[in-house]
Amino acid sequence: DQQVKQNSPSLSVQEGRISILNCDYTNSMFDYFLWYKKYPAEGPTFLISISSIKDKNEDGRFTVFLNKSAKHLSLHIVPSQPGDSAVYFCAANSGYSTLTFGKGTMLLVSP
Amino acid sequence: DAGVTQSPTHLIKTRGQQVTLRCSPKSGHDTVSWYQQALGQGPQFIFQYYEEEERQRGNFPDRFSGHQFPNYSSELNVNALLLGDSALYLCASSLFQAGSSYNSPLHFGNGTRLTVT
Repeated sequence: DQQVKQNSPSLSVQEGRISILNCDYTNSMFDYFLWYKKYPAEGPTFLISISSIKDKNEDGRFTVFLNKSAKHLSLHIVPSQPGDSAVYFCAANSGYSTLTFGKGTMLLVSP
Repeated sequence: DAGVTQSPTHLIKTRGQQVTLRCSPKSGHDTVSWYQQALGQGPQFIFQYYEEEERQRGNFPDRFSGHQFPNYSSELNVNALLLGDSALYLCASSLFQAGSSYNSPLHFGNGTRLTVT
């Protein structure tokens, strides 16, 4: 029973364009959502988060949108850069930062 | 400012053996969580320690146990290893925030790659 789903295993984008990564969840008790980025041989790195009481949070090139009625969130990266190439994990907070992760989406940004 | 450190980085064990993994949290953090990441999967929550006690536990058998020390560092122990325990084990730390259901964002170490043969 996967409570957090990232249905796209991979995404390819050209440098300078927008990257949109999607995530769906099933548990309406989740109250906080996070995106993590992971490079090979490294641990996940926190990118951006959003509380369930908001519908948008922006940090530089990264924006996360939350649609509670659809139980859907997305991460927008504008403009995309080759250094953004990594695996992106969507995660939801079950309490005290106990996170439920999706399977991840591998983003490849080509020059 | 030291981040989360884990040791060892790699480990090879035989089925049935026991293993201990170690973690030092980020400076200033008081809560340690452990996650298992199997190949092609996202990290899966094992358990969380705060004030030297297990506060939350995921869907893992009792073969998985842990400990937190007074300096906030932590160990993960796995007994009677199975081939399916082969995975990347990630330690993450955070700062407990009273009155909130959400701690600070988790900071992860680079993990310990465990291979069970």
